[in-house]
Amino acid sequence: DIQMTQSPPSLSASIGDTVTITCRASQSIDNYLSWYQHQPGKAPKLLIYAASDLHSAVPSRFSGSGFGTDFTLTIASLQPEDFATYFCQQTYSAPNTFGQGTRLDIK
Amino acid sequence: QVHLVQSGAEVKKPGASVKVFCRASGYTFTSYPLHWVRQAPGQRLEWMGWIDVDSGDTKSSQKFQGRVTISRDTSASTAYMELNSLRSEDTAIYYCARLSYFDTSGWGKRAVLDIWGQGTMVIVSP
Repeated sequence: DIQMTQSPPSLSASIGDTVTITCRASQSIDNYLSWYQHQPGKAPKLLIYAASDLHSAVPSRFSGSGFGTDFTLTIASLQPEDFATYFCQQTYSAPNTFGQGTRLDIK
Repeated sequence: QVHLVQSGAEVKKPGASVKVFCRASGYTFTSYPLHWVRQAPGQRLEWMGWIDVDSGDTKSSQKFQGRVTISRDTSASTAYMELNSLRSEDTAIYYCARLSYFDTSGWGKRAVLDIWGQGTMVIVSP
């Protein structure tokens, strides 16, 4: 199975900051990488697919990049509703596997 | 609006079974596969299996083969995940998620879990 390693595991930031979360695959996954936002007790929300394509209705302050094994999710100008857990998922090969998540807290 | 609504929390004894439902609304139920994913406390999300809602064909992770049954009732727009022989390690939040195919910027289509249910907590405790 492909291992997905996210960093950092947690992150503290302030409203208006820009933060970057990384996801590394144990082998090349081309751009078969999605990012999700998850708030406790709610359904996870798709943010980005194919590493850099923004899902509809997702604010443009979210962006993704990367190809192969290294990927980043950047959130610019943090808003209160952005404080959540973020996780990546590879869909290159079965079983599709997930990163362990990055918890983003308000500083 | 597209929604997946799951059944409520369950508390089960070891050895018992649990059946979680996932009711779809706002789209044609048979047009999209549904996947099941779980997250145990402190662990990452783990893929369990999926169902071709149209045909009823299923595939599950080797880890759960023999213990998990995924099914659907198209007349009720509802999918089900039943896990048998529960043990404490099965304590987790269980999610259903719809699989869609999205056009990408120059890379063809990608399969993406675009809509998720709110999750169902299953606690396995003596």
